[in-house]
Amino acid sequence: NAGVTQTPKFQVLKTGQSMTLQCAQDMNHEYMSWYRQDPGMGLRLIHYSVGAGITDQGEVPNGYNVSRSTTEDFPLRLLSAAPSQTSVYFCASSWDRAGNSPLHFGNGTRLTVT
Amino acid sequence: DQQVKQNSPSLSVQEGRISILNCDYTNSMFDYFLWYKKYPAEGPTFLISISSIKDKNEDGRFTVFLNKSAKHLSLHIVPSQPGDSAVYFCAASSPGNEKLTFGTGTRLTIIP
Repeated sequence: NAGVTQTPKFQVLKTGQSMTLQCAQDMNHEYMSWYRQDPGMGLRLIHYSVGAGITDQGEVPNGYNVSRSTTEDFPLRLLSAAPSQTSVYFCASSWDRAGNSPLHFGNGTRLTVT
Repeated sequence: DQQVKQNSPSLSVQEGRISILNCDYTNSMFDYFLWYKKYPAEGPTFLISISSIKDKNEDGRFTVFLNKSAKHLSLHIVPSQPGDSAVYFCAASSPGNEKLTFGTGTRLTIIP
């Protein structure tokens, strides 16, 4: 059972480049979300989805897009990378809404924007 | 505005002793609290949770205590083991809110 799989593990981008961080889960979870972790700031919610075809913004959505065409996949797109987006990104899923059941996290993508 | 605060960035505890990690919150609407553990280069993993209708929840060596009047949460690990060395995050949510609010984490080091 793979759980939540994130690719790539590491990525270096130049300012202005775009890229997609991939996230897939095999637990048939309806709820999926993206967090970023920065030193001294904990984990902050970027976007989330309560099911296929439904997405919504979290705490820090600017500069990111998401879509949810299937239950399994929830990619995060950086439209035009900026140094402020240097961070570790975690995808997470749960069987119910975030307030009702624990999140299962992937192992993260470490992104550096130069 | 940090609604969930972990005021101790780090904590060192002797192996076999009790580790106590603390968490304070400001939002009185929070009704569900969780603790996550994170090893380097891995994602956080769920440890234990508590609903606001309880004041204590136990799971093996881990116990979470909730003091609603003080808006304070603590995680007790007894006895502490070297494998407990990790960063611990507390998190909270309120009814109908899709967002988990995380604290900034406490790095626990267990000294053999």
